[in-house]
Amino acid sequence: SQTIHQWPATLVQPVGSPLSLECTVEGTSNPNLYWYRQAAGRGLQLLFYSIGIDQISSEVPQNLSASRPQDRQFILSSKKLLLSDSGFYLCAWSVGTGHGYTFGSGTRLTVV
Amino acid sequence: QKEVEQDPGPLSVPEGAIVSLNCTYSNSAFQYFMWYRQYSRKGPELLMYTYSSGNKEDGRFTAQVDKSSKYISLFIRDSQPSDSATYLCAMGFMNTGFQKLVFGTGTRLLVSP
Repeated sequence: SQTIHQWPATLVQPVGSPLSLECTVEGTSNPNLYWYRQAAGRGLQLLFYSIGIDQISSEVPQNLSASRPQDRQFILSSKKLLLSDSGFYLCAWSVGTGHGYTFGSGTRLTVV
Repeated sequence: QKEVEQDPGPLSVPEGAIVSLNCTYSNSAFQYFMWYRQYSRKGPELLMYTYSSGNKEDGRFTAQVDKSSKYISLFIRDSQPSDSATYLCAMGFMNTGFQKLVFGTGTRLLVSP
């Protein structure tokens, strides 16, 4: 069966520090991968999506970046965090169309 | 106008009530429709998906799609306190090989014992 792992679950980082969030998927090949941010009362904001290794599309210009070094690994990074980067970050995967996404358990990031 | 509109709630109901959650959308090209449930501090989990207008039932849950009105609903019968969560609608297109869903902002549901 397919599973998605996302870590860490919570993170408190100072402004200006770097960020690395990791997501891995098991039990499927060549998944589409997504990074979302969910701010309180504002719904899900798509940040990046990837249809293959080293194929990343950015939806929102900001100080975040994403990489996909392996087929089932998706990494969200920042060189210098801003207060506005605080939020709940979700990784998701899908295969094909019409079946929705499977989300990870999320990382709650607080930038202080 | 947002592509997908959803009342944020909260919607408070007593245990056993029938709950109706709704979304409206503006893009008539959407081809499939989903409902996700999200518990506090957890990732959303897929509850139901449907491609066509009409009703789809799964246990206590019924998803309804009215493409002519651009309106979708999720009904929960015999609601339980464990149903207390945020419910997000989502919709997408049947492109080949890749899907990008559009989500509503979610409705928070509170079921009191």
